[in-house]
Formats: sequence, C-alpha cells, structure tokens
Amino acid sequence: DVKVTQSSRYLVKRTGEKVFLECVQDMDHENMFWYRQDPGLGLRLIYFSYDVKMKEKGDIPEGYSVSREKKERFSLILESASTNQTSMYLCASSLVPDTEAFFGQGTRLTVV
Amino acid sequence: AQSVSQHNHHVILSEAASLELGCNYSYGGTVNLFWYVQYPGQHLQLLLKYFSGDPLVKGIKGFEAEFIKSKFSFNLRKPSVQWSDTAEYFCAVNLNNDMRFGAGTRLTVKP
Repeated sequence: DVKVTQSSRYLVKRTGEKVFLECVQDMDHENMFWYRQDPGLGLRLIYFSYDVKMKEKGDIPEGYSVSREKKERFSLILESASTNQTSMYLCASSLVPDTEAFFGQGTRLTVV
Repeated sequence: AQSVSQHNHHVILSEAASLELGCNYSYGGTVNLFWYVQYPGQHLQLLLKYFSGDPLVKGIKGFEAEFIKSKFSFNLRKPSVQWSDTAEYFCAVNLNNDMRFGAGTRLTVKP
C-alpha cells in the first residue's frame, strides 16, 4: 500500500512564526501536492511538484513556499504564519500525471 | 482554469435509500475524473475513477458513477446506502497534473 505520512496531526503556532509541514511518501511517486481543506471550499491546491527541485504554483500559493530536495519528501513552508492560514493541510502523491492521488492524514494547523 | 461543482453541500438519508451526488466540471477537453471519500477522522481515499472506455464505472463499497460527456457530469450513485457510508464525498478532475476538487458533499445516513 502507498503510504503518505505527514509529520504532525495537530500544530498550534503563533502569528509571525515560520512553520514547516513535512510530507514523506514511500512509493517512489513522481508527483507530490499540497492542498488546504476548508469547510465549504473543498480542497484548494497550494503547490505541486512533478520532480525533485521542481515546483508549480497552484490556486493559492500566496504566503506559502515549498521545498523538494529528495523525491520522497515535500515540505510546505509558511514564511510568516497568519490567522487566516488556520486550516487542514493535506499532502498527496501520485505516480504519473493524471492518475489518482494518495493522501496523508492531514495536519490541522491553528495559528493564534 | 477548470472548475468542479458539487450541487449538494449536505445530504441526509435514511438507511436503504438511494443516493445520487451531482458533479459537473467546466473543462471541455479530455479529463480524468475521480470520486474520493473521507470518513470521519480518516484520510481521503479513492472511491472510483474514470479515464476512458465504459462511461459507467464501478468502485468500492457498491458505488458507481456515470460519465456523461455532453453534460460535463460525473454523478456518483449507490442504490442502497448504509450507516457506514456517512462521510464527505469529493469529486475531482485531473488534467495535465492540475487536480481540482469540488467543495465536497457531506452525507449523513440515519440508522
């Protein structure tokens, strides 16, 4: 089974802090994604990566950056956390373009 | 950019009732279509997918979906729901690695 692991289930951070969300997948997938999930809005794509050191902006990249130094790991960085970034963050991976995505358990981030 | 619309935000059914959840997308080209489910406290998992071929696809747990190209729709159905189907359901469209999700439909099945 594909396993996508997010480093934390719950995080509480203060406004202005730099926040790192880590995601690791164990199936040698090329593509990795970061989404945020908010009630009534579904999943919105923040960034995705189709190869090591490659990244593409999604719908809502402002306030976020990403890092993919190794194929299995995709990190989401909140440069200066704000309260409007309180949300559930989901990481996903897929083998090739246009195929199904496999999701992690999610990280519920609260910024106070 | 393509978009995905799910018509119902919250659906409440009794056990054994039939289910149909609507999904429409905006892009007119060739897309791959998915339904994902998120059970309470669990991660999103794939219910079923359509890439090509027979427009009626069957997924896990008795779910099926029909792709109607002329209507840009990919509706999810189940003839008889169970209490354990209580979850949130997301329709998704993937084109060239651009995976877009609908807002989700929360299904509550009363025992």
